[in-house]
Order: sequence, then structure tokens, then C-alpha cells
Amino acid sequence: AQSVTQLGSHVSVSEGALVLLRCNYSSSVPPYLFWYVQYPNQGLQLLLKYTTGATLVKGINGFEAEFKKSETSFHLTKPSAHMSDAAEYFCAVSNTGANSKLTFGKGITLSVRP
Amino acid sequence: DTGVSQDPRHKITKRGQNVTFRCDPISEHNRLYWYRQTLGQGPEFLTYFQNEAQLEKSRLLSDRFSAERPKGSFSTLEIQRTEQGDSAMYLCASSTTVYEQYFGPGTRLTVT
Repeated sequence: AQSVTQLGSHVSVSEGALVLLRCNYSSSVPPYLFWYVQYPNQGLQLLLKYTTGATLVKGINGFEAEFKKSETSFHLTKPSAHMSDAAEYFCAVSNTGANSKLTFGKGITLSVRP
Repeated sequence: DTGVSQDPRHKITKRGQNVTFRCDPISEHNRLYWYRQTLGQGPEFLTYFQNEAQLEKSRLLSDRFSAERPKGSFSTLEIQRTEQGDSAMYLCASSTTVYEQYFGPGTRLTVT
């Protein structure tokens, strides 16, 4: 079975500050890892993904994440927060099997202060 | 590419009524997923289609829930005899690979 832990439900940063959203996963097989963003009353948009290869992955809107197998982590970062980054962020894991269903964490709400 | 669409966007129903939601995937996406998202939680997997074949269902999907994907195109999710606990956002996603799922805007169900 796979699981995702996102510690804390809410993170608040100042505009221009570093954004760090933590994600730890559990998987018995090599995982695929994802970060999605959800704006109010909208579906989920893929920010970035790790499948194989380079462990530091870059996504849209200046976000990046690093896969650390030894720490079973996939933390999301952005050097400088923008007001438009305020949203809910979900980390997800899928297996490499045929169905590739996603298992999500509970999500973290990011607030950006002016 | 117009994205994944879902209809309706909002549905309010009385307890005990049946409801049906529709999902239109991105054209030529052979994989289609349904998820349920309750307040303050991440989406939870409900079921998965590859073309018209339903290959997996979650244990969350009781016998009141059924999903179809006739001809491997659009999909419907039906909930019979709705309960207040069914109130949630129902999300549909489609893909062609195991690497990336594209989500629709969701259908928000409120059971009164």
C-alpha cells in the first residue's frame, strides 16, 4: 500500500519569501511522485512530477522538488513567493503498475502575505 | 485540446435521490479515473477505466455507486439513494500514460 504525509495543513509566507511545502511518502515499489495545485472551486493542475532519472525536477510557475529516496521525501520549493501562489497543494504518489491510480496527501493551504 | 469537462458543476439533491454525473475526457485519452474529494482532504480514488473496461474499483465505491464508460469515450458516475455522507467534490481525470493525469473542474454534490 502507498501513502503520503503532508505535515501541517497551512503554511503562510510573505511575498518574495521562500516557499517550502513538505511531503513524505511510503511505497513498497519505486514510486512516481507528483505535486498538484488546486485553486478554489477548480480541479487539480499538475505542477511537476518525478518518474525516473534526475532527482531534482522543475515544474511550472517556478516550482521545483527533489526526490530523496533515503528520506522518502519529495518536498516542494519556490525561491520567491508570489501572491498568485496562494492555493492548496497536494502531493501524490502512484505505483508503476498498469492502473497508476494516485494516492494523495491531505493537502497544504499556502497563504501569501503582501 | 479543450481539457477534461464535467457536467454538472454543481448538484444539490435530497437524501434518497439518485444522481448521475458526466465526464468527457480529453479526446483520445484511453485512461479515465474518478476521484472523490471531501472537505479538507485530498482526492480519493474511486474507479479506473482503460477504454471501456472498468479495471479497478476502490472499497469506497459501495453498491450504491456505479460507473460506466460506454464505447470508451465519456463516462458517467451514478450514485443511487444518496446519503448526506456522499456530499463531496467528484473529480474526473484522463490520461494516455501512467505519468500524468489531467483533471476536470469537478462536480460538487450537496445532499440535503
